[in-house]
Order: sequence, then structure tokens, then C-alpha cells
Amino acid sequence: DTAVSQTPKYLVTQMGNDKSIKCEQNLGHDTMYWYKQDSKKFLKIMFSYNNKELIINETVPNRFSPKSPDKAHLNLHINSLELGDSAVYFCASSSGQSYQPQHFGDGTRLSIL
Amino acid sequence: GQNIDQPTEMTATEGAIVQINCTYQTSGFNGLFWYQQHAGEAPTFLSYNVLDGLEEKGRFSSFLSRSKGYSYLLLKELQMKDSASYLCAVMDSNYQLIWGAGTKLIIKP
Repeated sequence: DTAVSQTPKYLVTQMGNDKSIKCEQNLGHDTMYWYKQDSKKFLKIMFSYNNKELIINETVPNRFSPKSPDKAHLNLHINSLELGDSAVYFCASSSGQSYQPQHFGDGTRLSIL
Repeated sequence: GQNIDQPTEMTATEGAIVQINCTYQTSGFNGLFWYQQHAGEAPTFLSYNVLDGLEEKGRFSSFLSRSKGYSYLLLKELQMKDSASYLCAVMDSNYQLIWGAGTKLIIKP
């Protein structure tokens, strides 16, 4: 199946831990994104990569570090997790053309205890 | 600043028609997208408008007026499965997608 897939789907962990979320797309897209959706359902862009290069880095704490080993993968590593990091994190990809939509993964539900 | 406004919640009856409005103020404009998001799921693409006018796609239509900074999503013959959040997003002059907070649509039998 052609899709954006991210793992894990659920992540429950303690405050202060370090965790990673992986994302892969087999759509042949050049651009990948990480979004955070909080309890109010507002979708906020965190990072965007085009052909492995960072093109958007919104104001997020530097505890969040994206890594793109190739244009089909964009992983998110989070250090020293805090309670406020609890949210759903979505990975997405697009061809980079302005009229082409973004395709989203199923999301990773992160809960900090 | 950049801003997208849409109603927080709307209620409609099965079989009826509903119009979800979106107004925007962004630095430049390179198109407007509508997405549907069911509870606990990922957003999925519904429509794209870059020129003024109405785009029809089955039961769903989307309208754009660039001079008014306004769009609406029209859903006809509502079905229970249309209960979801509908997100309006505008691509600005830097080709960044600016998202609205979404409109939660509740369909009643």
C-alpha cells in the first residue's frame, strides 16, 4: 500500500525520558512534515524537510530534533520529555507543488506520565 | 499576523445541507485546502481552490473568493459518517500551510 506510516501509534512514557517517533513514506514525495495536534485539535507545524534539508523550523523547544536519513524518512527525537509534550504527533508528506495536498500518517499518541 | 477563522462547532440533520465558512488573513495566497478529520484519525484531503469560484466533487463543494478572503465547504445529503472535524488551510506566499482550528460537525438523525 502506498502511504505515510509512522510508528509507534501509542507512546506512554515518564517525564524526563527520551523517545523517538519514526515516519516513512513510499509516495515518492520530496517534502515531509511533523505536526503537533494538542487537546484543542489545533494542528501546528513543527518541522518541514525538502529532500533531506530543513526548510521550516517553527519555534519549538530544541529538545525536539528531526532527522531525515533520506527523502523517504523523517524521524522525530524528543529529549527530556515534559508533561506539555502530551499530544498527537502527525507525520505528513507532499510532492512540494503548491496545489498538491499533504498526506498524513495515522498519528502517534504521546502521553507523558 | 496570519489568521484563519472557522466556527468551532456546527450541528446539522442527516439528509440536509450544511455550509462551513472559513475566513483568512495571510501574507500572500497560493491556494486553500479543506481536510476532513474523523475523531482519532488523520486528516484527509477533500478539496483545493486557488481561483475564485465553486469546485464540485460529488456531495462536497468548495467555494473561494480571494478578494474577500473567504471560502466555504458545502456538504449535501448529509450522512452520519460526515460527522467529523473540517479543517481549512491556506498556503501563504512562502508556500507554508497555515491551518485553522477546525470545525466540528455533528450530524443528528
